[in-house]
Amino acid sequence: SYVLTQEPSVSVAPGQTARITCGGDKIGSKSVHWYQKHPGQAPVLVVFDDSDRPSGIPDRFSGSNSGNTATLTISRVEVGDEADYYCHVWHRSGDLLGVFGGGTKLTVL
Amino acid sequence: QVQVVESGGGLVEAGGSLRLSCIGSGFSLSDYYMSWIRQAPGKGLEWISYISSRGSTKNYADSLKGRATISRDNAQQSVFLQLNSLRVEDTAVYYCATSYYDSGGPRAFDFWGQGTVVTVSS
Repeated sequence: SYVLTQEPSVSVAPGQTARITCGGDKIGSKSVHWYQKHPGQAPVLVVFDDSDRPSGIPDRFSGSNSGNTATLTISRVEVGDEADYYCHVWHRSGDLLGVFGGGTKLTVL
Repeated sequence: QVQVVESGGGLVEAGGSLRLSCIGSGFSLSDYYMSWIRQAPGKGLEWISYISSRGSTKNYADSLKGRATISRDNAQQSVFLQLNSLRVEDTAVYYCATSYYDSGGPRAFDFWGQGTVVTVSS
C-alpha cells in the first residue's frame, strides 16, 4: 500500500510562515490535495492539484510538489489557521485507492 | 449553494449493520464521483470508498472490503454506504464528499458534508 508521511505537529508564531510536508514514494508524479480541518467541522479543500487554490481560499495558502515531498505553505499565519492539515493522493495499485497522510496539527503560538 | 448532507448514523452493536445516506443539493450529483471518508476518535482521515459518476466503478479500502457496499441514485441526488459486520473499530464520523474527475479518475474532494456519527458497541 502507498504511505504518506506528515509530521505530527508544526508550531509557528502569527505572521510567520508555516510549512507542512507530505512524504511519499515518487509523490512528485502524483497530484496532491490538501485539506484543513478544524475540530468538529468538515474538512475544507485548501490546495488541489499540487498548487491550485479553490475559490475563496486566500493566496496565503500555496503548495508545491517534487520528488518524494509535497509541501503546503501558509504565509502570514493567522490564529484562525490553527487546525489539522491532511494531504491526499490517489494511488493505483490494481484498483484506484484514496490515501491520506496522517495529518499535521498546526499550532499558532 | 452546494450542500452535502449525511444521515443514517447511530449506535449499533458489533456485528450489526447500518445504511448511511448522503444527499446533495445545489449541483448535479451525476457530474461527480462520490466518496465516503471517515475519522475515528482521535485519529486522522481515512478514505473508505468511491463510486464513479454513473456507478459503474466502485472501490473500497482494505479495512472495509467485503463489509461495505457503495451505491448511488443520481435521480434522487443520493449516495449510500451499506455497512455490515460492524466492528468497534468502525466507530467514527463518516463524511460524504464530491470529487470532480477527468480521464484519470477522481481528483480532489471539493465539497464535504458535516458527517454522520457511527458508534459500534461491544
